[in-house]
Amino acid sequence: EIVMTQSPAALSVSPGETATLSCRASQSVSRTLAWYQQKPGQAPRLLIYGASSRATGIPARFSGSGSGTEFTLTISSLQSEDFAVYYCQQYNNWPRTFGQGTKVEIK
Amino acid sequence: EVQLLESGGGLVQPGGSLRLSCTVSGLMFRSFAMTWVRQAPGKGLEWVSTILGSGDTTYYADSVKGRFTISRDNAKNTFYLQMNSLRAEDTAVYYCAKDGSEFDYWGQGTLVTVSS
Repeated sequence: EIVMTQSPAALSVSPGETATLSCRASQSVSRTLAWYQQKPGQAPRLLIYGASSRATGIPARFSGSGSGTEFTLTISSLQSEDFAVYYCQQYNNWPRTFGQGTKVEIK
Repeated sequence: EVQLLESGGGLVQPGGSLRLSCTVSGLMFRSFAMTWVRQAPGKGLEWVSTILGSGDTTYYADSVKGRFTISRDNAKNTFYLQMNSLRAEDTAVYYCAKDGSEFDYWGQGTLVTVSS
């Protein structure tokens, strides 16, 4: 099983600033990596797939990068609606696995 | 517009069974794999099971293998999760999702509580 490790567990950021979230895979997943956003009481929402492609309707302030085992989600100019939990997930191998999440909080 | 709607959650005793359903609209259902993901209270996301479009290939997390069965009815645009021998640790919100490799559309979730 591929273990996905996200860091940090929580991140305090002021509105308008940039948040950088990391995700590491225990073995290479090439670019088969997705990022999701989840707000309290809501289902997750796909943000990024293929490590760097934005899903339909996702603002350009969300960007993804990386390949192999190291990935980054960058949220530029944080808006109030961006404060949420973010998960990475690999779909290179079975079982599909998620990271434990990074909570982006208002500073 | 793609929509997924789960049903079937509820309270069940340990050792009991429950069947979840997810009805999908707005896409060519038989062309896509479908997936169940769960989230225990206050915890992260856990992939549970996937079924491919034809229904003849399925995948399961080790934590549910042998107890849960995923299936689909392409004529009804619906897929299912039959959950048997339920345990307290199966308590979670269960989400269904369209599986385009990434999970690009999600249902709103249905709560399953396993408790005596």
